[in-house]
Amino acid sequence: QVQLQESGPGLVKPSQTLSLTCTVSGGSISSGDYYWSWIRQPPGKGLEWIGYIYYSGSTYYNPSLTSRVTISLYTSRNQFSLKLSSVTAADTAVYYCARYYYDSNWFDPWGQGTLVTVSS
Amino acid sequence: NFMLTQPHSVSESPGKTVTISCTRSSGSIASNYVQWYQQRPGSSPTTMIYEDNQRPSGVPDRFSGSIDSSSNSASLTISGLKTEDEADYYCQSYDNSIPVVFGGGTKLTVL
Repeated sequence: QVQLQESGPGLVKPSQTLSLTCTVSGGSISSGDYYWSWIRQPPGKGLEWIGYIYYSGSTYYNPSLTSRVTISLYTSRNQFSLKLSSVTAADTAVYYCARYYYDSNWFDPWGQGTLVTVSS
Repeated sequence: NFMLTQPHSVSESPGKTVTISCTRSSGSIASNYVQWYQQRPGSSPTTMIYEDNQRPSGVPDRFSGSIDSSSNSASLTISGLKTEDEADYYCQSYDNSIPVVFGGGTKLTVL
């Protein structure tokens, strides 16, 4: 059974870069059946897709965030990462990583999420 | 780009049936699969319906999904409501220009 776990700093200063890692266990990140994804949820608000990466390294980002987002794959460690630059308080959110089915376009499973607060 | 619009909240009594709608603003709802996720307070989302009307293993058959082309909307129906169904529910779809779109979410209260 595949499980995903987010890790990274819980506090980031404004204008700095947010960096998170998602560790995948119970399955290979090199499978062509899935995209590996990041989604976020500001406190009390809805879900926002950030982007995803395919095993080949191809990436797709939300147009509203594309200038600040980088998602990378580390196959030897079965991990993928998120970097979000020039953060502001509006980037404060719970960040989830999730597996996205390539052929039928749904997320499952999700990680437990990690709260990142942007504050000085 | 299109949007998915959900009611902000719905409420119903235990044992009853409730339906949550998800209306697509442009493009046909039938052109791309719709998924539904449940998010209980303090937890990450879990999939209740994928590919419009398919249930992952472990999801009770009280949960069903459907598509209505006439209203360009998808629906999640929960029958035999239980207090444990109280949660936020999100629909999700996609198209060629934007790979993932979420609805704004619906808070279900079972009272």
